[in-house]
Amino acid sequence: EAGVAQSPRYKIIEKRQSVAFWCNPISGHATLYWYQQILGQGPKLLIQFQNNGVVDDSQLPKDRFSAERLKGVDSTLKIQPAKLEDSAVYLCASSLRDRNQFFGPGTRLTVL
Amino acid sequence: LAKTTQPISMDSYEGQEVNITCSHNNIATNDYITWYQQFPSQGPRFIIQGYKTKVTNEVASLFIPADRKSSTLSLPRVSLSDTAVYYCLVGSDRGSTLGRLYFGRGTQLTVWP
Repeated sequence: EAGVAQSPRYKIIEKRQSVAFWCNPISGHATLYWYQQILGQGPKLLIQFQNNGVVDDSQLPKDRFSAERLKGVDSTLKIQPAKLEDSAVYLCASSLRDRNQFFGPGTRLTVL
Repeated sequence: LAKTTQPISMDSYEGQEVNITCSHNNIATNDYITWYQQFPSQGPRFIIQGYKTKVTNEVASLFIPADRKSSTLSLPRVSLSDTAVYYCLVGSDRGSTLGRLYFGRGTQLTVWP
């Protein structure tokens, strides 16, 4: 079974630039999550989708972050404009039911 | 808000049994307890999940007392490759509540030869 795919694996940008991350969940998984993990901390949930609808985006900084999951499969997370404090690993996960999540390898973002 | 409290770090030696305890005083009736493992530069990986009493799989056991306000992850005979961060989560599949999927800082387990 293929796992959760994410791209790119690494991204370096300057502050105020824009960046987008892509996630392809495990086939058939209705629930998709985006997490932000800052060095030395646990993952923090940014947004949770159930199919193509948003279940929880309470911790998503909506002035600069946006996410979509068209057709209930792939998802894109965008940051515009980026700030220095956005430097982190962005993890995508998917699940059949949200008790057991399968994580992708993450995208390491560095904002200079 | 079902947050969890775990020790920041633990040390062990190869071949020993390791028990990591997690406190979750505000656990809700519908919440399950789930443990994840994370190696550097990788996403977290599911280890085990339970609701009450004891659950065992091929890699770990999970002990949950009757009041469910804590849980203990037990790793038998650890090896160097078990060095990782371990996260305890509580949550429910019945909709989303603020902070429900809360990882916390986890427990850094270091296994020495």
